Amino acid sequence: TQLLEQSPQFLSIQEGENLTVYCNSSSVFSSLQWYRQEPGEGPVLLVTVVTGGEVKKLKRLTFQFGDARKDSSLHITAAQTGDTGLYLCAGARGYQKVTFGTGTKLQVIP
Amino acid sequence: DAGVIQSPRHEVTEMGQEVTLRCKPISGHNSLFWYRQTMMRGLELLIYFNNNVPIDDSGMPEDRFSAKMPNASFSTLKIQPSEPRDSAVYFCASSLAQGLATEAFFGQGTRLTVV
Repeated sequence: TQLLEQSPQFLSIQEGENLTVYCNSSSVFSSLQWYRQEPGEGPVLLVTVVTGGEVKKLKRLTFQFGDARKDSSLHITAAQTGDTGLYLCAGARGYQKVTFGTGTKLQVIP
Repeated sequence: DAGVIQSPRHEVTEMGQEVTLRCKPISGHNSLFWYRQTMMRGLELLIYFNNNVPIDDSGMPEDRFSAKMPNASFSTLKIQPSEPRDSAVYFCASSLAQGLATEAFFGQGTRLTVV
């Protein structure tokens, strides 16, 4: 059972465009993370959000945790080719088990 | 710290053979996770340990898969006998559970091909 659904699955955009990736669940999570994975590498943590409604910014990336702590979004402003990769959300219930979403594969075209 | 270290990086084996994947977590981390990643199913949690004790192995596909963590600095994932459908990238991750935020740090993975 996949607890975290991400949309879209694939996204191909031109450099300079904005985009939003969504992560949705019917379950409540105590915290939620966003990871980026490049080919041949493991996922690398970008951010963790723990409070409902929380917004975090990491340069051109804006992360939001839903008020009910069931969903999250990642917005990228003025995408660059270096943003290309697989974006994964991951929810933690309790403080141990982490479950990953289905992933969004982003390609930024120069 | 060198991060999570996995070995081997690549493994090609024949169907029916035993395969052992190894992981050294980040020193001081108390949780260790084994994941499998495929195009079809994405990143799936197989098993996780807390303080060297298996907590949840509900993701282990079948009895051919087993995992051990004999001490805080080493874990293995064994497949015996291996089958072509086991071909995937296997990741080990570790974390330090603190409060509500569990942040997993991943190794580079082992790409397993069973022919």
